[in-house]
Amino acid sequence: SQTIHQWPATLVQPVGSPLSLECTVEGTSNPNLYWYRQAAGRGLQLLFYSVGIGQISSEVPQNLSASRPQDRQFILSSKKLLLSDSGFYLCAWSGGGEQFFGPGTRLTVL
Amino acid sequence: GENVGLHLPTLSVQEGDNSIINCAYSNSASDYFIWYKQESGKGPQFIIDIRSNMDKRQGQRVTVLLNKTVKHLSLQIAATQPGDSAVYFCAEANQAGTALIFGKGTTLSVSS
Repeated sequence: SQTIHQWPATLVQPVGSPLSLECTVEGTSNPNLYWYRQAAGRGLQLLFYSVGIGQISSEVPQNLSASRPQDRQFILSSKKLLLSDSGFYLCAWSGGGEQFFGPGTRLTVL
Repeated sequence: GENVGLHLPTLSVQEGDNSIINCAYSNSASDYFIWYKQESGKGPQFIIDIRSNMDKRQGQRVTVLLNKTVKHLSLQIAATQPGDSAVYFCAEANQAGTALIFGKGTTLSVSS
């Protein structure tokens, strides 16, 4: 069966510090991969999606970036965090239909 | 542009009642819709999906209805239980079919 992992589960970072969140998927090959952000009490905002290694599509302009160095690995990064980057970050994978979400990373930028 | 939203931000029901959560979408070209359930502090969980060639689909205690004429989607939960308390999101596939667009969510509260 397929599983999706995210780490860390929680993170507290100062403004201006770098960020690296990792997501890995097991049990499937060539998945579509997604990064979402969810602000408190709000819906999911799609940040990036990838249909293959090295292929990244960005949905909104921001100071975040994504990379897919391996088929089942998706990384969300920032060189300098802003206060507005705080939120719940969710990684998801899809085989072309429904998306399956990871447990999320709660990021607080102080 | 593409927009998926929900009619009500909150819904409170008694245990055992049937719940109906509604969603309106604006992209008539969308052909795939999903309902997700998100419990506090967790990632969304898939509940049920429906394609535009159908108007109804049933799962265990859940039914999704699609009315393409008025671009309306609903989730019906039968015999609602306290464990159903969560935020429910509808989502539609974007025009490229590569990503989902989520609505803002409806918080369902079930009291015993």
